[in-house]
Amino acid sequence: AQKVTQAQTEISVVEKEDVTLDCVYETRDTTYYLFWYKQPPSGELVFLIRRNSFDEQNEISGRYSWNFQKSTSSFNFTITASQVVDSAVYFCALSEAGYGQNFVFGPGTRLSVLP
Amino acid sequence: EAGVAQSPRYKIIEKRQSVAFWCNPISGHATLYWYQQILGQGPKLLIQFQNNGVVDDSQLPKDRFSAERLKGVDSTLKIQPAKLEDSAVYLCASSIISSYNEQFFGPGTRLTVL
Repeated sequence: AQKVTQAQTEISVVEKEDVTLDCVYETRDTTYYLFWYKQPPSGELVFLIRRNSFDEQNEISGRYSWNFQKSTSSFNFTITASQVVDSAVYFCALSEAGYGQNFVFGPGTRLSVLP
Repeated sequence: EAGVAQSPRYKIIEKRQSVAFWCNPISGHATLYWYQQILGQGPKLLIQFQNNGVVDDSQLPKDRFSAERLKGVDSTLKIQPAKLEDSAVYLCASSIISSYNEQFFGPGTRLTVL
């Protein structure tokens, strides 16, 4: 069965520091999709990025960047020059392809950005 | 474009009572999901519908939980009878085709079982 591990339960940084959130996954499928979602204090989950298993290109979007490495089954998320508004719980998630897709979230990392 | 709607937002019940939650997904989205999120944990998928058929309900406690999606649009999730450990936020989400698409989440229903 598939599994997502986010070993960092909580991280605190000071504003403007860079921070990396780790995500390690397990799957036996060769085709799968990885996601990051943000859950701010308001509670509503917000999609950040999706990656499929055939696309190992790293991606940058503003202050956010993602590093996907199949060799280590990792999909890490870096926030550059963090801001207070980045404070939230961040979830990594995995979807296996095919009908009866199995979708699983990791346990989340709570990020606190202090002013 | 309207987002995913859920009601009620909050519910407090006694154990052994019944409760129902309602979800209206984004128009045109084929897939609808119900998640249970216990405080401090990641959301756990309870059931996934594609149109009005069930794709995955492997983690739904079928002795007390039931869900339906009539006409492939709105959905209801019911708990009968509730237990203390059912206290959680119940999230509904939808995606345009399947779980490899972006999911859009509703605000959730916070259930407290006393």
